[in-house]
Amino acid sequence: DAKTTQPNSMESNEEEPVHLPCNHSTISGTDYIHWYRQLPSQGPEYVIHGLTSNVNNRMASLAIAEDRKSSTLILHRATLRDAAVYYCIREVYGNKLVFGAGTILRVKS
Amino acid sequence: DGGITQSPKYLFRKEGQNVTLSCEQNLNHDAMYWYRQDPGQGLRLIYYSQIVNDFQKGDIAEGYSVSREKKESFPLTVTSAQKNPTAFYLCASSIGDVRTGELFFGEGSRLTVL
Repeated sequence: DAKTTQPNSMESNEEEPVHLPCNHSTISGTDYIHWYRQLPSQGPEYVIHGLTSNVNNRMASLAIAEDRKSSTLILHRATLRDAAVYYCIREVYGNKLVFGAGTILRVKS
Repeated sequence: DGGITQSPKYLFRKEGQNVTLSCEQNLNHDAMYWYRQDPGQGLRLIYYSQIVNDFQKGDIAEGYSVSREKKESFPLTVTSAQKNPTAFYLCASSIGDVRTGELFFGEGSRLTVL
């Protein structure tokens, strides 16, 4: 089963950090974890991806558990523009990414 | 500007009609994809193509057809055999293997069957 498990929704205050969790208990040793986000009526946008160690880029940080069964996307300071659906995805069969329902992130001003 | 262009943005179709959605990219990417998204749900893969003149079925290919005659173009035809075609369709591309890269998406085409 290639599914990941994420909370349906989360809420954050503006300017505060946000931790978005994802469980992927059946992940194999070579599957990468990818995160994308989607604003209403737009295509998804790449956020970050990683394999084993923690990853950082200009948008976010990705913390991957030592056993790789879970990961957390960290937005260091949420803004209103970060309100979106966030997808945690396991890479499957090489070039296929399977998108679940994702987590709706609401940001309050 | 480099990117992916999908057209039309909105499309209405009568039942029983075929319709073709356009997807063009000028990113020089080898791989292209079509996803379908229904309200409140994630994306489901319809077809993908890793090189010109080759494509593979995704998870929900029935009722759809594609072609990849040029690297830049990957049109999707929604045929009358697709039982419930009303949805948001997204085209994407990648420079190669998405395991180590990223997918770039277009802005989508919203198809409504009347």
